[in-house]
Amino acid sequence: DVKVTQSSRYLVKRTGEKVFLECVQDMDHENMFWYRQDPGLGLRLIYFSYDVKMKEKGDIPEGYSVSREKKERFSLILESASTNQTSMYLCASSLFPNQPQHFGDGTRLSIL
Amino acid sequence: KNEVEQSPQNLTAQEGEFITINCSYSVGISALHWLQQHPGGGIVSLFMLSSGKKKHGRLIATINIQEKHSSLHITASHPRDSAVYICAVPNTGNQFYFGTGTSLTVIP
Repeated sequence: DVKVTQSSRYLVKRTGEKVFLECVQDMDHENMFWYRQDPGLGLRLIYFSYDVKMKEKGDIPEGYSVSREKKERFSLILESASTNQTSMYLCASSLFPNQPQHFGDGTRLSIL
Repeated sequence: KNEVEQSPQNLTAQEGEFITINCSYSVGISALHWLQQHPGGGIVSLFMLSSGKKKHGRLIATINIQEKHSSLHITASHPRDSAVYICAVPNTGNQFYFGTGTSLTVIP
């Protein structure tokens, strides 16, 4: 079974801090994705990557950056955390585009 | 404008009831996905279908490509079916449009 592991289930940070969310997958998937999920808005794509060192902006990239130095690891970075970035963050991976994605358990991030 | 619309947004059912969740979409697609998210966050893929019907245990998914509509049915519902069910369709950018989800609560 594919395993997508997110580094934290719950995280509390302060406004202005630099925040790192880590995601690791163990199935050699090419494609990795970062989403945020908010009540009433559903899943929204922040960034995705289709190869090492490659990244593409999703629908809501402002205030975020990503890093993919190794195939199995995709990091989401909040450069200067703000309270409107309080949300559930979900990482996913897939072997091919438009194929079922495998999700991590999510990180519930609170920015105070 | 939402490319994917789900109904209902919330659904409460008694254990044993037959449940239907609907998904309508406005874009041309190659396949449609149904996802399940349990309390606590993790999301799993239930079905990917491009025509007709698929069945897995008590879950049945149908799709009508001409009408741009899909349904997810749960037979003999159980409290462990309580979850958020999400419909998703791929877009031309090789990502997905997601519905906002249907929150299902099955009461014993």
